Amino acid sequence: QLVLTQSPSASASLGASVTLTCTLSSGHDDFAIAWHQQQPEKGPRYLMKVNSDGSHTKGDGIPDRFSGSSSGAERHLTISSLQSEDEADYYCQTWATGIQLFGGGTKLTVL
Amino acid sequence: QVQLVESGGGVVQPGRSLRLSCAASGFTFNTYGMHWVRQAPGKGLEWVALIWFDGNHKYYADSVKGRFAISRDNSKNTLYLQIDSLRAEDTAVYYCARDRDYGQDAFDVWGQGTMVTVSS
Repeated sequence: QLVLTQSPSASASLGASVTLTCTLSSGHDDFAIAWHQQQPEKGPRYLMKVNSDGSHTKGDGIPDRFSGSSSGAERHLTISSLQSEDEADYYCQTWATGIQLFGGGTKLTVL
Repeated sequence: QVQLVESGGGVVQPGRSLRLSCAASGFTFNTYGMHWVRQAPGKGLEWVALIWFDGNHKYYADSVKGRFAISRDNSKNTLYLQIDSLRAEDTAVYYCARDRDYGQDAFDVWGQGTMVTVSS
């Protein structure tokens, strides 16, 4: 069964870096995922698609501070030089024929 | 610019029906798959339905099968979601989203959402 697992929360200091992880269920480690950001009281925003080989395609206007990578069944989102506006919920998403799936989301707190 | 604008939400009594719309602009609508996604208050994102670029294939989450119907009018650049037999658990913000491809890829454009509240 296709499942995405995310830690419920993460925190890091202003100006520091943080890596968020989305883990694909067993047998699905060749799947691509996408990362979306949802700031408080706003709709989601597409950040990037991350392939199993670690290559990624960012959305329009997404700063270079945001990058993606892969390791086995894990898909990572790294945010460097953290800013206050990066405090948000981050969701990963994946897909198969006729189905789309989201992880439970990670709430990032910028200290 | 590329834009999706949802409308049609509101407060509705249980058991009633509602049709949501999503107006697309700034891109060639009839070449992209389109989705509806919802978010209950304080909860995460839940995919609801998908329609391929040409409208020939439609898919639904198990939680809404039989009550929700997705459709599109490519001549009007508009996506729809018909919701029947509304339940309290359908209360959510409903977003439309564009697929990067015909209907099996990441969502790369999101609307701002429309709120549906099911209450007597």
